[in-house]
Amino acid sequence: NAGVMQNPRHLVRRRGQEARLRCSPMKGHSHVYWYRQLPEEGLKFMVYLQKENIIDESGMPKERFSAEFPKEGPSILRIQQVVRGDSAAYFCASSPAEGYQETQYFGPGTRLLVL
Amino acid sequence: GQSLEQPSEVTAVEGAIVQINCTYQTSGFYGLSWYQQHDGGAPTFLSYNALDGLEETGRFSSFLSRSDSYGYLLLQELQMKDSASYFCAVLAAGNKLTFGGGTRVLVKP
Repeated sequence: NAGVMQNPRHLVRRRGQEARLRCSPMKGHSHVYWYRQLPEEGLKFMVYLQKENIIDESGMPKERFSAEFPKEGPSILRIQQVVRGDSAAYFCASSPAEGYQETQYFGPGTRLLVL
Repeated sequence: GQSLEQPSEVTAVEGAIVQINCTYQTSGFYGLSWYQQHDGGAPTFLSYNALDGLEETGRFSSFLSRSDSYGYLLLQELQMKDSASYFCAVLAAGNKLTFGGGTRVLVKP
């Protein structure tokens, strides 16, 4: 029973390039969450998606960042024109459809380094 | 919005007991979760309290007082492998988890 999968695990980009982070939720899970974690800090909520719907994007920067969770395929977090401040670990989590989402299962994260 | 406070670091020896407190301010509170994260690893779910009281799961227990907006995670019989960061997280309306800044637990021999 595969857990939440994220790729790539490490991503290096130069300033101005685009970063695409992928997340495949656990089998049977239809809710996906993206978080950002800076070194020595907690996780900051970015966006909550269900299949083909953005439920809550209140934690997402207004510019350069976008997320999607298509009917088929993984969820994608896209960062355009990356800047050094985007360097962080980006974690995806998933939870099943029913009930409150108190148990979120996290993927291994993508460590983004912007040079 | 939500805000959570927890100590930044705790040091203890093997076999000891550690209590990590978490106070929160939130609207639309559903419950309090705890997650463990080893350096370079992913957060892993430890416990969830929706009702007042103590929940025990092996060496780890979690407590919640809704009236005091307070909870704690209790780590007993500490082992070296328990060295990690521990995050409390509030689940509130909208199914959103808001995490505290984390408590780094260092276990010494």
